[in-house]
Amino acid sequence: EDQVTQSPEALRLQEGESSSLNCSYTVSGLRGLFWYRQDPGKGPEFLFTLYSAGEEKEKERLKATLTKKESFLHITAPKPEDSATYLCAVHGSGGSYIPTFGRGTSLIVHP
Amino acid sequence: GAGVSQSPSNKVTEKGKDVELRCDPISGHTALYWYRQRLGQGLEFLIYFQGNSAPDKSGLPSDRFSAERTGESVSTLTIQRTQQEDSAVYLCASSLTTGGDTQYFGPGTRLTVL
Repeated sequence: EDQVTQSPEALRLQEGESSSLNCSYTVSGLRGLFWYRQDPGKGPEFLFTLYSAGEEKEKERLKATLTKKESFLHITAPKPEDSATYLCAVHGSGGSYIPTFGRGTSLIVHP
Repeated sequence: GAGVSQSPSNKVTEKGKDVELRCDPISGHTALYWYRQRLGQGLEFLIYFQGNSAPDKSGLPSDRFSAERTGESVSTLTIQRTQQEDSAVYLCASSLTTGGDTQYFGPGTRLTVL
């Protein structure tokens, strides 16, 4: 059974204070690891898809990295508008067509 | 369309009434997923479609929940005899295939059962 654990559950940062969110996973063959951002009352917004260990992707202040056991979402010099819940999901090749989602990390960036 | 759309955005109903929630996926996406998200909770998988067929209905909470998809496009999630515990945001997502492609989510339908 695929598993995803995100840490920390909640993170408070000062504007400009860089940090990283962690997504640890176990799958029987990784088809894809996905990062989403979810604002209150809205559907998850797609950020990145990573497919293999060593892969990195960047978008503005966000950078996602992937190893065989975990993924990190690095936030450089965050701004208050980066405040949201960040979700990680994995899609394994073990026969299930259903991605497994983590519980998310709630990020608050104070001005 | 440009993205996944859902309607209505908000639905308030009385306990015992039936409700229908609609999802319009991205054009050309063969896979469609329904999730439920209770306040402050994670995503709970309900059902997925590959084309018009639903191979896995294991996430449906009870026989009051059903879903269908027609023309490899629009999907409706029906909840019969709604209960207060059905109150949640119902999210729909679509992807090109079920083979590990990125899922794109709609804005959700917020259901409140009084």
